[in-house]
This record gives sequence, C-alpha cells and structure tokens, in this order.
Amino acid sequence: QQQVKQSPQSLIVQKGGISIINCAYENTAFDYFPWYQQFPGKGPALLIAIRPDVSEKKEGRFTISFNKSAKQFSLHIMDSQPGDSATYFCAASRGSLYNFNKFYFGSGTKLNVKP
Amino acid sequence: NAGVTQTPKFQVLKTGQSMTLQCAQDMNHEYMSWYRQDPGMGLRLIHYSVGAGITDQGEVPNGYNVSRSTTEDFPLRLLSAAPSQTSVYFCASSYGKGYEQYFGPGTRLTVT
Repeated sequence: QQQVKQSPQSLIVQKGGISIINCAYENTAFDYFPWYQQFPGKGPALLIAIRPDVSEKKEGRFTISFNKSAKQFSLHIMDSQPGDSATYFCAASRGSLYNFNKFYFGSGTKLNVKP
Repeated sequence: NAGVTQTPKFQVLKTGQSMTLQCAQDMNHEYMSWYRQDPGMGLRLIHYSVGAGITDQGEVPNGYNVSRSTTEDFPLRLLSAAPSQTSVYFCASSYGKGYEQYFGPGTRLTVT
C-alpha cells in the first residue's frame, strides 16, 4: 500500500502556465517532504523540500504548499518552461533505526510543457 | 567529483541467475541506499547502510542482499533473479541524517 499518493499521473501545460502536482499522506510521523525532478535516463535530483512547521516554501519558480491538517502538500511551478518537462516525484520521510531517514515516494507525475 | 556511479547501465539476466549491481560514491557520505523504480510505483527502498558494516532492510528487501565493507562502495546482490525483479535500480548516498539524497544514473535490469 503506497504511503504517499500523488496526482495527476501526467500533466500537459502551456509555456508560461502554472503546473500543479498534488500529494497526500497518512502517516503523521513523516517530518520531511521533498520533491524530486527526474529527466529521462537520469536519476532523480532534489528540487525543493519542506518541513511540517511551515506552510509554504519558495525557491525561484518552484513553491511547495503544505497543509498539515489535511495531510497534503503540493508543488507549484510558475511560468512553466519546456525545460521543466520531466517526471516529478513527491516523497515523505521519517526517522528509523540507526537514525536513518526512510523515504517513501509517490508514483510520479510526467509533466510536458508545450512551447 | 564523479558523485554516485553505478555499473552496469543495462543488464539482461535469465531466471535463476545471480548478479551484483555496483554502486560507488566519492563524496565520503555515510549513508547509502538502494531503490527500485517501477512504472506507477515510484521508488521503493530495498536496503540501506549507515556506514561500513551496518545495513538494514527497506520496504522490499526480499531476493536482494547487501553488504558494505568500505565507505565508498555499496553493492546490491540478486541471489536468484526472477522476472518480478525486472526494474530500474537506483543507488543513492547522503550525509548527516540522510535528508538530501544524491542518486546515481541507474541500472536497467531485465529478467527473462
């Protein structure tokens, strides 16, 4: 059973538009929520991350919105560009044995930004 | 810095064969992990290590074995390959408590 649910599966946005990807979780022990960007043939790369003590974090055109009571968080990409076309994964992590953070990933959203 | 490197890039195995996927990092990171990526499933943690000689299981450990004798290397062994292990495998490393993970380029494995 997937611990982090992500939607939509795919998204088509016009250049200059806003891309929005949503994730939901159940486990209240999660304390770190990153977003990863993956281009074809490459490994995922950390894009932006948030902790549950803030409701929003912005880095350039990328913003995470976090709703702790609803157990939901989302990625907003403003002024989307063709170069943003990639697969995006949300994730959530919690501490575990040996103080290691175990990550649970969403199923991914394939974003296509049309020129 | 090469970062995280993985070999091979592609591999085809027959059912029942064994093999080792290699992973190395040159960032002196304590933590290393193995994930598998399947369509519609995201990435799932197989095994992880918090230092030389210390490993633990993730979400989907069955059929895989790991050991870590050095800080740099963290190989993943498939004991007896099954078609269900057809996947893309990613190795990752991180420092501190493992918040920011650096992923390798992946190994695409097909088991027939």
